[in-house]
Amino acid sequence: NAGVTQTPKFQVLKTGQSMTLQCAQDMNHEYMSWYRQDPGMGLRLIHYSVGAGITDQGEVPNGYNVSRSTTEDFPLRLLSAAPSQTSVYFCASRGGSVNTEAFFGQGTRLTVV
Amino acid sequence: GNSVTQMEGPVTLSEEAFLTINCTYTATGYPSLFWYVQYPGEGLQLLLKATKADDKGSNKGFEATYRKETTSFHLEKGSVQVSDSAVYFCALISSGSARQLTFGSGTQLTVLP
Repeated sequence: NAGVTQTPKFQVLKTGQSMTLQCAQDMNHEYMSWYRQDPGMGLRLIHYSVGAGITDQGEVPNGYNVSRSTTEDFPLRLLSAAPSQTSVYFCASRGGSVNTEAFFGQGTRLTVV
Repeated sequence: GNSVTQMEGPVTLSEEAFLTINCTYTATGYPSLFWYVQYPGEGLQLLLKATKADDKGSNKGFEATYRKETTSFHLEKGSVQVSDSAVYFCALISSGSARQLTFGSGTQLTVLP
């Protein structure tokens, strides 16, 4: 059982480049989310989706786009990378109830130079 | 809006010491409360949860009690081990947060042999 799979694990970008972080889950979960983790700030929500075709902004959405064309996949696109986007990115998925556990990918460490 | 405040780290303990990591929250509605743990180089995983007032969540020797009157969910363990070294995140989810997790800033725990 793969759970939540994120790729790549590491990435270095130059300022202004674009890229897509991939996230896939095999648990048929409705909810998927992207977080960024920065020292001393915990995890902050970037974008989330409550089902295929439905996405919404989180706390820190600027500079990122998402789409949800299938239940399984939820890619995060950086449109024009900036050094402030240097961070560790986590994708998560969970079922619809507020009491259910969220499952996280192993993270993508992104450095923008 | 929702927020979670965790005691600042890092925390360094000797093996077999008692652990407390404080967590308080503000939330709309009646939140569910969680502790997640992040081992080095990995994503977050659920440690324990409590879904209503006075519930006690427990797992792997860790415990936390949902205290509505003090809006707290402190994590405790009676005797820590070196293998407990990790980052611990308190989190909540409520119907008022678009059913998305809100995290505290995380507490780095190091247990020395």
